[in-house]
Amino acid sequence: EIVLTQSPGTLSLSPGERATLSCRASQSVSSSYLAWYQQKPGQAPRLLIYGASSRATGIPDRFSGSGSGTDFTLTISRLEPEDFAVYYCQQYGSSTEFTFGPGTKVDIK
Amino acid sequence: EVQLVQSGAEVKKPGESLKISCKGSGYSFTSYWIGWVRQMPGKGLEWMGIIYPGDSDTRYSPSFQGQVTISADKSISTAYLQWSSLKASDTAMYYCARGAAPADYWGQGTLVTVSS
Repeated sequence: EIVLTQSPGTLSLSPGERATLSCRASQSVSSSYLAWYQQKPGQAPRLLIYGASSRATGIPDRFSGSGSGTDFTLTISRLEPEDFAVYYCQQYGSSTEFTFGPGTKVDIK
Repeated sequence: EVQLVQSGAEVKKPGESLKISCKGSGYSFTSYWIGWVRQMPGKGLEWMGIIYPGDSDTRYSPSFQGQVTISADKSISTAYLQWSSLKASDTAMYYCARGAAPADYWGQGTLVTVSS
């Protein structure tokens, strides 16, 4: 079973700053099956990035994804007020493994 | 417009059964996997399982195998998640989503509360 670790657990930043979120897998993950989601309080998750680096429909270009193998990164180039939320990475390792990471909370400093 | 609309909140007692639903519209329901995701209060996301409504191929996360049943009725574009005997630990928000990895559209969630 592939385990995803996200760091940091909480990231405290100010609007306009750059956010760098890390997702590390216990085994190599196909880039095609690494996704990032944003979840705000009281809302369903929203797909941000799929295939490690492709933005989902309607996602602003301040969000970008990168990485391969076991190390992946979500970068928010300049935080907007609406970006303060929890971010989850997810991988697909087999027909029964669609594991999520524990999440990184980005809050206002 | 792609939409997944879930059934409303439920309050149940331990030992009771429950079936919640997720109705898809705006796309070919039989052509995409539908997944179910649990989120316990204040916690992260857990993938429970997926179903392909086109042929009812169903796969469960090992953590949820035997604990829940996922099904679909393609004639009404609806997927289901059911329990035969609820426990207090099943209290959570449950989301359906189109696709597996990635899950590109999500339902609004169904809150299930199990309490005596």
